Amino acid sequence: ETGVTQSPTHLIKTRGQQVTLRCSSQSGHNTVSWYQQALGQGPQFIFQYYREEENGRGNFPPRFSGLQFPNYSSELNVNALELDDSALYLCASSLIGTTGELFFGEGSRLTVL
Amino acid sequence: GEDVEQSLFLSVREGDSSVINCTYTDSSSTYLYWYKQEPGAGLQLLTYIFSNMDMKQDQRLTVLLNKKDKHLSLRIADTQTGDSAIYFCAEINTGGFKTIFGAGTRLFVKA
Repeated sequence: ETGVTQSPTHLIKTRGQQVTLRCSSQSGHNTVSWYQQALGQGPQFIFQYYREEENGRGNFPPRFSGLQFPNYSSELNVNALELDDSALYLCASSLIGTTGELFFGEGSRLTVL
Repeated sequence: GEDVEQSLFLSVREGDSSVINCTYTDSSSTYLYWYKQEPGAGLQLLTYIFSNMDMKQDQRLTVLLNKKDKHLSLRIADTQTGDSAIYFCAEINTGGFKTIFGAGTRLFVKA
């Protein structure tokens, strides 16, 4: 059973640029959620995808967008990067209709200069 | 509103018990969780409790839920240096699609 994998692990961008982060879900999971974790904070919910559709969204602007593919892998895209977007971005997969347990990847650390 | 609050730091001696406390706001949450995050890693589920339970025990871990006060606690018996990490309390929202995390309690275990 393969766990959740994310890429890249670290990246540096400048203000105004765009970034794409990638995630492969755990085998058998049909739902993927993305979280933003600023330094010293808990993860903040960005959105969730189920069956390739957005299934819920947190308090993030439209420049944060996502995709889920038929193989349940996912992307998080952030346009017009701002300094405050610097954070650890965590992908988590789960199986809908169960206990809601989230299986996290190790995250992609984004630094915006 | 949706909010989960927990104290930021806890320091214990090896072999003692650790108790991490949390308060939450969504009384309709079906599940409440404790996740653990080690340095440079993602979060890992430690344990969860269903909202109709008051207590759950899992080896060294004991979870207590007080629904009236919306208070959740995690007790770690015989705390070891390997337990040093950040512990997040979390609840799942009514719609079941969003897990809401606290800011995390950083546990330091002194040898």
